[in-house]
Amino acid sequence: DAKTTQPNSMESNEEEPVHLPCNHSTISGTDYIHWYRQLPSQGPEYVIHGLTSNVNNRMASLAIAEDRKSSTLILHRATLRDAAVYYCILRDGPLSAGNNRKLIWGLGTSLAVNP
Amino acid sequence: EAQVTQNPRYLITVTGKKLTVTCSQNMNHEYMSWYRQDPGLGLRQIYYSMNVEVTDKGDVPEGYKVSRKEKRNFPLILESPSPNQTSLYFCASSTLRGSYNEQFFGPGTRLTVL
Repeated sequence: DAKTTQPNSMESNEEEPVHLPCNHSTISGTDYIHWYRQLPSQGPEYVIHGLTSNVNNRMASLAIAEDRKSSTLILHRATLRDAAVYYCILRDGPLSAGNNRKLIWGLGTSLAVNP
Repeated sequence: EAQVTQNPRYLITVTGKKLTVTCSQNMNHEYMSWYRQDPGLGLRQIYYSMNVEVTDKGDVPEGYKVSRKEKRNFPLILESPSPNQTSLYFCASSTLRGSYNEQFFGPGTRLTVL
């Protein structure tokens, strides 16, 4: 499985944009890029995913480099509730009845948001 | 509300005393999975199930059992817990349909084995 590299920690101020980087230089053509986050004392939750094109949803935006060797999760206006550990994960295609393409979890980036 | 529930949320037990952690989902998901989370190691998969009566080992299955008799429930059984199973446990579920299979996680069970 291709690996990802993320900074251990980052800090941001409330109401400012946050750019969380992820390097995945060994990504394969069929790897999807997933982002999850884990708020304190909670289970992880899905944030966003993409394959080649940039993606937007109500929580965040995902910017994928043209060569796909890196990506950036963008929180447009950080709030105190966004303080969490953010995980960037690659997976080669979807789960299926015959293939446990599980997510391989690293240690993520711990984001602190200052008021 | 779509959710994954786990019980108990906190458990302190002693070595060798059998215990079960329950997991239930209300989203009719085919896929369910158990993870443990330890400091410095990230989430590691213990067991997973693709559907009723279909279970298989993940990366760290030793000392654990699971069953999937109903689609909504996926209990984790520790027949003879040991201190090295002290950890934070998460149950997750996902559909097998679609292309991205978002995983929904429970709130976690913090287990301490003395």
